[in-house]
Formats: sequence, C-alpha cells, structure tokens
Amino acid sequence: EAQVTQNPRYLITVTGKKLTVTCSQNMNHEYMSWYRQDPGLGLRQIYYSMNVEVTDKGDVPEGYKVSRKEKRNFPLILESPSPNQTSLYFCASSFQSGPAGPQHFGDGTRLSIL
Amino acid sequence: RKEVEQDPGPFNVPEGATVAFNCTYSNSASQSFFWYRQDCRKEPKLLMSVYSSGNEDGRFTAQLNRASQYISLLIRDSKLSDSATYLCVVNTGRDDKIIFGKGTRLHILP
Repeated sequence: EAQVTQNPRYLITVTGKKLTVTCSQNMNHEYMSWYRQDPGLGLRQIYYSMNVEVTDKGDVPEGYKVSRKEKRNFPLILESPSPNQTSLYFCASSFQSGPAGPQHFGDGTRLSIL
Repeated sequence: RKEVEQDPGPFNVPEGATVAFNCTYSNSASQSFFWYRQDCRKEPKLLMSVYSSGNEDGRFTAQLNRASQYISLLIRDSKLSDSATYLCVVNTGRDDKIIFGKGTRLHILP
C-alpha cells in the first residue's frame, strides 16, 4: 500500500531533550516536506527536500533540522525542543520533483513539549 | 495582503444544498493550485487539482480565475460526509514554496 509513515504518532517530552520524528515513504517520491499545524495559523512548511541530499528552509525552520540521506526517509530533528514547538506535525511527499504535484500526507505526529 | 486567504467559516449548510468557497492568492506568478480536505485531527487529503480550464469531479467543481487571482470550489448536492475543513493550496512559483490557506470549515446539517 502506498503510504507516508510517521513515527511516533504521539510524543510528550521535556524542554531540551533532543528528539527525532521519522518519516518514510514507499512511493519513490522525490519531493518531501515537513509541516506544522497550529490553531488559527494553519499548515506552515518547516523544511522541504527536492531530492536526496537537497534540503531547503520553508517558512518556519527555526529550531528544526532535517536530513535526506536516502530517497525514502526524511527525518525531522529537534535538537533542543521548546514549548513553542508543541504542535501537530505532518510529513508529506510528492511524485513530481517539486511541490507542483499533489502531496500525500502521513497521519501526523502530535508533539507536546513540557 | 496575505499570500493565500480563505474565509474561515464555519459554513453551516443544509444537506442537499450547493455551497461555494473562494480562496485568493497574492502572487500572480503562482503556478499550481489544489483543494485539500481535512477531517478533524486527521491528515489533509487531496480533493482535486485546479486547472486553468476548470475541472469537475462528480459533485465537485474547481475553477481558477488568474485575472482576479482566486480559485473556487463548488460542492453540489452536499452530503453529511462533506463536513470537513477545506484547504486551499498554492505553489507560489517562488523558490518552490507551497502555501496552505488556513482552511474553511464546512458543516452540513441534516
């Protein structure tokens, strides 16, 4: 089944404790992206990747890191999480080499930083 | 002017009615447009792409007006299952940035 898989689905952690949210897609998509969704602010892009070893900042990259060592994986890293990073996070991928194509989303990761 | 703007609603519409939403965008160079549907606490799912010539998929019709810089979504014969938040998505054509509108909430009433 074609899908985007995020893990964990839910995480409660404390300020400053490094964490990684994994994202994997099995559709051989070139484009992958991370978003956060907050009430009243909608979905905002954190980072995106056009292909392996190519990553770019989205609108809200501060406090996040990403890597794209393999085509299928695009982990989101919070080196020193803070409470303002409490949010619902989505990973997405797209077949076309760019966001011009429709995106497939993972189920989301609900992150709470205490 | 915000890059992508939608009326947040909520739109409370009786079952069977026709409802339409608009979404305006500020960058005239924007290249791709989409409507996504998002159910509460779920991931967004593509509803339809929006083409210059307009496109229709069953009860749903999407249109693009480049001159006035907006896209629209029309839902005919609305069903209870159409209740959701509808997100307008624009590829701004600038640095491959993709912008989501904040969404329009639709409630279909029995």
